[in-house]
Amino acid sequence: GAVVSQHPSRVICKSGTSVKIECRSLDFQATTMFWYRQFPKQSLMLMATSNEGSKATYEQGVEKDKFLINHASLTLSTLTVTSAHPEDSSFYICSARDATRGNEQFFGPGTRLTVL
Amino acid sequence: GENVEQHPSTLSVQEGDSAVIKCTYSDSASNYFPWYKQELGKGPQLIIDIRSNVGEKKDQRIAVTLNKTAKHFSLHITETQPEDSAVYFCAASIENNRLAFGKGNQVVVIP
Repeated sequence: GAVVSQHPSRVICKSGTSVKIECRSLDFQATTMFWYRQFPKQSLMLMATSNEGSKATYEQGVEKDKFLINHASLTLSTLTVTSAHPEDSSFYICSARDATRGNEQFFGPGTRLTVL
Repeated sequence: GENVEQHPSTLSVQEGDSAVIKCTYSDSASNYFPWYKQELGKGPQLIIDIRSNVGEKKDQRIAVTLNKTAKHFSLHITETQPEDSAVYFCAASIENNRLAFGKGNQVVVIP
């Protein structure tokens, strides 16, 4: 149990375009999903917390208009990187929390975004 | 806010030996401490966790110990194998069900 998927696994896009990344909890209902960004050889940086049916809470310094998050159901959250630029190139990882299991966060496999 | 520090940054061990990674945290309100293993190009995988009402937890070759007074917790891997080579992250719970992560530790198991 506790499987989280992400799609796509990697994406290359041109500067100025928007990219949508999906995060799904496959075998449990995720009341909360989290979006992280990870640069090479660095730790995970939390970008935002997404609760089903409500607006996401963004961490300090993360532009909410640039990184649009939607958590429309208990099994799906999406992150849209709008007007992407080369500096947005990174490894984006989501995690999902099952409220019945307390604090545990289960991570997806990540999405490698490259902006040309 | 919570500050999680992880040492050492890199650890090389001979296959079969034990590996120990230590983390310290600053917020006494933290009550949940997971460890994640991340292989290159993949998402982190939860390998073991401990809650503040427990001092030690073991799962086969992996164990975690927690010292609440000193605010540190450690990951112990015994009988290391080449497949244990990865980056290991510790984390501590903070408000609103979030986690604060350490910077990671590269473990290299030498065959």
